[in-house]
Amino acid sequence: GDSVTQMEGPVTLSEEAFLTINCTYTATGYPSLFWYVQYPGEGLQLLLKATKADDKGSNKGFEATYRKETTSFHLEKGSVQVSDSAVYFCALSSGGGADGLTFGKGTHLIIQP
Amino acid sequence: GAGVSQSPSNKVTEKGKDVELRCDPISGHTALYWYRQSLGQGLEFLIYFQGNSAPDKSGLPSDRFSAERTGGSVSTLTIQRTQQEDSAVYLCASSLSGAPAGNTIYFGEGSWLTVV
Repeated sequence: GDSVTQMEGPVTLSEEAFLTINCTYTATGYPSLFWYVQYPGEGLQLLLKATKADDKGSNKGFEATYRKETTSFHLEKGSVQVSDSAVYFCALSSGGGADGLTFGKGTHLIIQP
Repeated sequence: GAGVSQSPSNKVTEKGKDVELRCDPISGHTALYWYRQSLGQGLEFLIYFQGNSAPDKSGLPSDRFSAERTGGSVSTLTIQRTQQEDSAVYLCASSLSGAPAGNTIYFGEGSWLTVV
C-alpha cells in the first residue's frame, strides 16, 4: 500500500537557517504530493503541492520538487523565521478518493530566535 | 461556510460514555473525510463519504465507531462506549470531489477528545 516516510523531529534551528525536511514515498501509479502545516492550536493547512514529476510546489518561501526517480518530495526554505515553528506533514494521494491522503507522521520544527 | 467547521472543539468524557463529533464541510464539497490524529502516530484515515454513495468505512478501528452524513452535507462521527485509547484529535476534511489528486483537501481545526 501507499506510505510516506519523513524525518522525525523535533528539528531545532536558529532563525535565518536553511531548512530541509526529507520526505520519501511509496505509491502505485503517479500520486500527487503535498506538504501540510499545522501551527500550534490550529488545524492542518495546505502549504504546497505538486501533481506530476518534476513539478515544484512553492508557498511562503517554502519549496518542494516532485522527484519521481528518487520518490522524494523534500521541503526546503532558504531562511526560516520563528513564525515557521509548526508541525509539517508530507502526504500523497493516489487518486480514486477512497483513501484520501496518506500522511507521514509529521516533523515538529522549532525555530529559535 | 468559509471553511470546514467542527464541533465541539474540545470534549472530555468518561470512559464508557458515547460521544458525537460534528463536521460541517465547505459548501459545495462532495467529498468528506474523517481522520484521527493521535500523539506520535500521525494521521489515520477513518472514513470517506463521496456524494450519495455508500461510505468507505475501511479505516474505522472498531465497531464502536460509526459515521453518517445527512443530505450530503453535515457529518457526525459517533464513538460508543469510549475507551482511553480513543483520546485523540478527530479531524474532518472536505474536497470538491472524490478524486483529490487535483483537488485540495481542506481540514477543519479538529475536535480534541479526551477520555478519562
